[in-house]
Amino acid sequence: EDKVVQSPLSLVVHEGDTVTLNCSYEVTNFRSLLWYKQEKKAPTFLFMLTSSGIEKKSGRLSSILDKKELSSILNITATQTGDSAIYLCAVVSGTYKYIFGTGTRLKVLA
Amino acid sequence: EAGVAQSPRYKIIEKRQSVAFWCNPISGHATLYWYQQILGQGPKLLIQFQNNGVVDDSQLPKDRFSAERLKGVDSTLKIQPAKLEDSAVYLCASSSQLMGRGTEAFFGQGTRLTVV
Repeated sequence: EDKVVQSPLSLVVHEGDTVTLNCSYEVTNFRSLLWYKQEKKAPTFLFMLTSSGIEKKSGRLSSILDKKELSSILNITATQTGDSAIYLCAVVSGTYKYIFGTGTRLKVLA
Repeated sequence: EAGVAQSPRYKIIEKRQSVAFWCNPISGHATLYWYQQILGQGPKLLIQFQNNGVVDDSQLPKDRFSAERLKGVDSTLKIQPAKLEDSAVYLCASSSQLMGRGTEAFFGQGTRLTVV
């Protein structure tokens, strides 16, 4: 059965800290791995990863995929209170099915 | 470009009543998804359409849930009769599979359903 596991489930840090969120997966016919940020209801897209070892970066956020380990990490440096959200990892299978993990709930304290 | 539109935004119904949600995907997106997100959990796929055909509905509780995507554009998701455990946010998403490579799924604002 396809599954995506994220860790930690929740995290509380102070502004300025660096955090690393983890995502591991088992899926049939892997196509890509995506990271989303969910603040209220609609998840918003952060990154799509298809190739192993190539870092994607956007401002203070970066992510990398390891196909050998079937995992990905999302790093956030110099965290701000606006980074407080649920971070969702989704893996896309051969039929373009998106399988989501439970998410990591990040809270950044001022 | 316009995003994924969903309505209503909120709905409160009594158990055993029926309810319907509507989704209009991004223009040209062939794939449409309905997800159920219970508080504290990640989105769970209910049904995936490719144009107006069903690709995956393995996790759709077919005794009470139904969905259709007429003409391969708008979609409706219906629950009849609703149970207390159906209280959740229902998210619609769409994506494009240009040249078989796929793009990210874009989500609507969701419908928060409360069953009392």
